[in-house]
Amino acid sequence: QSVLTQPPSVSAAPGQKVTISCSGSSSNIGNNYVSWYQQLPGTAPKLLIYDNNKRPSGIPDRFSGSKSGTSATLGITGLQTGDEADYYCGSWDSSLNDVIFGGGTKLTVL
Amino acid sequence: QVQLQESGPGLVKPSETLSLTCTVSGGSISSYYWSWIRQPAGKGLEWIGRIYASGTTNYKPSLNSRVTMSVDTSKNQFSLKLTSVTAADTAVYYCAREGVGTIHLDYWGQGTLVTVSS
Repeated sequence: QSVLTQPPSVSAAPGQKVTISCSGSSSNIGNNYVSWYQQLPGTAPKLLIYDNNKRPSGIPDRFSGSKSGTSATLGITGLQTGDEADYYCGSWDSSLNDVIFGGGTKLTVL
Repeated sequence: QVQLQESGPGLVKPSETLSLTCTVSGGSISSYYWSWIRQPAGKGLEWIGRIYASGTTNYKPSLNSRVTMSVDTSKNQFSLKLTSVTAADTAVYYCAREGVGTIHLDYWGQGTLVTVSS
């Protein structure tokens, strides 16, 4: 069971918006930065969001991140079939002295 | 463009040592932290640990007694050793670079499957 809690799956139609939540505690999300990763089928994870809401170069602004208290959210607008993937949140846990990830959320674009 | 490539045996016997190397190209290994992450089939990501170019390490507490990481700056490589492996260590192993300032992984290798089986 992951320290960070994500919904196992979300779905939405092409062109729509979806949000993926990541719930933690004061020892991780509450006092540390959150990053988000996209893992397309059969490939390595790719950094989408870091420092809660920053996008690396080359990541479209359809992807956004936010944090409030001990929870974080990834938003994806203008959904495309190519966005179908597993999405993971990650953070440092100051109590565990460990980098922790959520269990992952599978996005289906119907 | 920074690229990472994992290499090492794809099959390791139970109780033996898993050894992997990550070769970094397109940039220097200096001034960054470098991590190992693994993913069992159909499951989520698990951070194993990280090493700085100077050799400073941080390991996942639950794996600390079995993990050793090292770095060879002359070859732009860093390595992972995991001792006393069991079937539970079967996974795709990724190496990755940690971005500047905070803990986020900005460049990843393609991953290599390591199976623990006799």
